[in-house]
Amino acid sequence: EAGVVQSPRYKIIEKKQPVAFWCNPISGHNTLYWYRQNLGQGPELLIRYENEEAVDDSQLPKDRFSAERLKGVDSTLKIQPAELGDSAVYLCASSLEAGEGTDTQYFGPGTRLTVL
Amino acid sequence: AQSVAQPEDQVNVAEGNPLTVKCTYSVSGNPYLFWYVQYPNRGLQFLLKYITGDNLVKGSYGFEAEFNKSQTSFHLKKPSALVSDSALYFCAVVDTGGFKTIFGAGTRLFVKA
Repeated sequence: EAGVVQSPRYKIIEKKQPVAFWCNPISGHNTLYWYRQNLGQGPELLIRYENEEAVDDSQLPKDRFSAERLKGVDSTLKIQPAELGDSAVYLCASSLEAGEGTDTQYFGPGTRLTVL
Repeated sequence: AQSVAQPEDQVNVAEGNPLTVKCTYSVSGNPYLFWYVQYPNRGLQFLLKYITGDNLVKGSYGFEAEFNKSQTSFHLKKPSALVSDSALYFCAVVDTGGFKTIFGAGTRLFVKA
């Protein structure tokens, strides 16, 4: 079975440019997560979806970040405009159900974003 | 507020020796605790989790972790380290209020042949 797929794997852009990341979760997984991992740190949750609904977006910088999960499967995370501080690895993960947080999350390989 | 701490940035161990990667947590209520491993240029991979029950949890690749409620710890252990265990290890706790997973900063394990 295929794991979580993310693209692109690497992206280099200049500041103020837009950028988008795509994620395809494991088939049948209802919950999808986007994390940001800064260098030398653990992942930090940006947004969590249960099916199509964003149930926790409290850490998403809404002035420049947006996300969608149409039809409750694939998801796209967008930054517009990008800033130097957005350079990080963006990880997508999925789980069968969110439950009470007890479900195991399966992570994609991430997209490494460099903003120049 | 829920939090998790990994007090060691790096752990060095010789191949064949036992290894321990430390994790302490702060949470209100019953903790849900996880360990993940990250290899270079790859996403995190699940190792094991504690939800309830036996304090000793066994996971993938021969790893195990012991939940200690009185010390609020969840240290990762392996009886005999392999060079291939060299990676970045993350402890995580679930915020049972909002079901959000909070990750530690990570501990880099280096196993020398």
